[in-house]
Amino acid sequence: DAMVIQNPRYQVTQFGKPVTLSCSQTLNHNVMYWYQQKSSQAPKLLFHYYDKDFNNEADTPDNFQSRRPNTSFCFLDIRSPGLGDAAMYLCATSPQSSYNEQFFGPGTRLTVL
Amino acid sequence: AQKVTQAQTEISVVEKEDVTLDCVYETRDTTYYLFWYKQPPSGELVFLIRRNSFDEQNEISGRYSWNFQKSTSSFNFTITASQVVDSAVYFCALSEADDYKLSFGAGTTVTVRA
Repeated sequence: DAMVIQNPRYQVTQFGKPVTLSCSQTLNHNVMYWYQQKSSQAPKLLFHYYDKDFNNEADTPDNFQSRRPNTSFCFLDIRSPGLGDAAMYLCATSPQSSYNEQFFGPGTRLTVL
Repeated sequence: AQKVTQAQTEISVVEKEDVTLDCVYETRDTTYYLFWYKQPPSGELVFLIRRNSFDEQNEISGRYSWNFQKSTSSFNFTITASQVVDSAVYFCALSEADDYKLSFGAGTTVTVRA
C-alpha cells in the first residue's frame, strides 16, 4: 500500500544533542511537509518542500533544518534540541494536482532529556 | 487572527449517542477548502473529508456526516451512533486558494464510553 512512513516512531535524545527524524513516501507526491505538534495542541507547520524548493515558515526556529535528497525521502534535523522541542513530529505529503489534500505519516514522538 | 475555531474542547458521550463537532472558519477568499482529520491515540492524523467552497452539498459516509453552511461559515461534523473506536481528537482545518498551508483548529477531544 502507498503510504507515508516515519522512523523511528519514538526517539529519545539528550538536551543539546543533534537528532534526525526521517520520513519516506511511496506516493510519489511532489510536496512534503514537516509539522510539530505539542501536547494538546494543533499541528504547526515548520516547513515544506515543493520538489526540491524549500519553504520555511517565518516563525520556525533556526534550530530546525530539513533535507530532501530525493522525491521519496525527507529529513528533519534538530541541531540542538531543547526541552521545549519535545513534541510529536508529523510528516505529510500531497500531490501537485491536489496540494492541500495532505496525507500524514504516523509521527515520531520526540523526548528530550 | 484565528482562521478556524473549534469551540468545544472536550465532548464525552455514551456509546450509541450521536455527537456533533462544531467548526467555524474565517477567510476572505472565495475559493477555499475545508477538512476534517481524526487523530486517535496512536498519533496519526487520518484524513476524513475535504470540501471546497463551491460545494455546499452535505455529505454522509457511513456513520459520519458533514454539514457545510457558507452563510454561517460553519462546517460541522456529526458522528451517528458513536462507538468506542471513535474516541479521538478531531481537527477541522482550512486551506485558502493557492496556499499549501493547512490552518488547523485547536481540536475537539471526543471520548466515547462503553
